[in-house]
Amino acid sequence: EAQVTQNPRYLITVTGKKLTVTCSQNMNHEYMSWYRQDPGLGLRQIYYSMNVEVTDKGDVPEGYKVSRKEKRNFPLILESPSPNQTSLYFCASRERTAMNTEAFFGQGTRLTVV
Amino acid sequence: AQKVTQAQTEISVVEKEDVTLDCVYETRDTTYYLFWYKQPPSGELVFLIRRNSFDEQNEISGRYSWNFQKSTSSFNFTITASQVVDSAVYFCALYNAGNMLTFGGGTRLMVKP
Repeated sequence: EAQVTQNPRYLITVTGKKLTVTCSQNMNHEYMSWYRQDPGLGLRQIYYSMNVEVTDKGDVPEGYKVSRKEKRNFPLILESPSPNQTSLYFCASRERTAMNTEAFFGQGTRLTVV
Repeated sequence: AQKVTQAQTEISVVEKEDVTLDCVYETRDTTYYLFWYKQPPSGELVFLIRRNSFDEQNEISGRYSWNFQKSTSSFNFTITASQVVDSAVYFCALYNAGNMLTFGGGTRLMVKP
């Protein structure tokens, strides 16, 4: 079954404690991205990756890092989380060269930073 | 820069009513794709439809229909005879050749029995 898997689904952490949210896809997609969802703002792109070792900033990259060492994995790293990073996070993947294909989303990670 | 606006933040209807969710977009690109996603209370994002910028034909899928009008940069979504299970947040999104998928702010639809 084609899927994007994020872990954990729920996370409560304290300010400043480094954390990583993992994302893995089994569709051999080149393109992967991270979004955060906040009320009234929809989903905003944090980072995206066009392929292995290629990453770029999205609209709201501050406070986040990513890496793409393997095609299937695209972890999101918060080196020093702050309360304003409390949000619902989604990882997505799609075929890079095909504009007409939809993005597949993970089930979301609800992060609370206290 | 591109932008997607969903002016209706929340809509409440009674079951069996028809409801239209508005989506207006801005882009300088001539080639782009428009999408609608549904986010039920469980939180996942469910793909509903995509439409490319060269295809202005309306589409109907069961109780769902979409009206794409390039002249007004709109891609509206209508649910006919709404049901309680349609209650969700609906997102309109725009994808361009720059590999940016831009979402609107979402419309929360509440269908009451």
